[in-house]
Amino acid sequence: SYVLTQPPSVSVAPGKTARITCGGNNIGSKSVHWYQQKPGQAPVLVIYYDSDRPSGIPERFSGSNSGNTATLTISRVEAGDEADYYCQVWDSSSDHRGVFGTGTKVTVL
Amino acid sequence: EVQLVESGGGLVQPGRSLRLSCTASGFTFGDYAMSWVRQAPGKGLEWVGFIRSKAYGGTTEYAASVKGRFTISRDDSKSIAYLQMNSLKTEDTAVYYCTRGPYVDTGPFDYWGQGTLVTVSS
Repeated sequence: SYVLTQPPSVSVAPGKTARITCGGNNIGSKSVHWYQQKPGQAPVLVIYYDSDRPSGIPERFSGSNSGNTATLTISRVEAGDEADYYCQVWDSSSDHRGVFGTGTKVTVL
Repeated sequence: EVQLVESGGGLVQPGRSLRLSCTASGFTFGDYAMSWVRQAPGKGLEWVGFIRSKAYGGTTEYAASVKGRFTISRDDSKSIAYLQMNSLKTEDTAVYYCTRGPYVDTGPFDYWGQGTLVTVSS
C-alpha cells in the first residue's frame, strides 16, 4: 500500500517560514491535498491539487510537489497557524483508495 | 453555506452494528461524492471510504481495514449519506467525519462535518 511520510513536528518562530514535507514514492505524479487541524476541531482544506488555495485561505499558505516530496509552506507564520497538518493523495495502484500522511504538529515558538 | 452534520455515534459492544448519518445542506447533494474519514483518539486521519455521485455510477470504495464490514450509501432525495458499520471491533473506536468529495476521483475533501464519536467497548 502507498505510504506518505511526514515529520512528526516542526517548530518555527513567529514571522518566519515553516516548511512541512510529505514523502511518497513518485508523489510528483499524484495530486496532493493538505489539511489543517486545530485541537478539538475538524480538519480544514488549505491546499488542493498541489498548490491551489481554497477561498478564505491566506496567501501565506502555498504548496509544491515534485519527485518524491510534496511541500506545504507557511510564510510569515502566526500563532494561529499552530495545528496539525496532513497531506493526502489517492492511490489507484490496486483499488482506488485515499491515503493520509502521518501528520505534522506545527509549533509556533 | 455548506454544512455537514453527523449523527448516530455512541457506545457499542464489539461485534455489534451501528449506523451513522450525515445530513448535508447548502449545496446540490446529488452532484457530489461523499466520504467518511475517521480519527482514533490521539491518532492521525484515516480514510474509511466514499460513494460516488449517481452521475459517476454511485459506486463505492473502501479502506482495506473496513472492507466487507462497512457499507456507505446515500439518499439524494434527503441529502443524507450513511455509514453502516457491522462486526465492530475495538480498533474502530474513533471520531468519524463526513466529508464532501472527491468531486472527481483525485479531488480533495473540501468540506468536513464536526464529527461523531464511536466507542467500541464491552
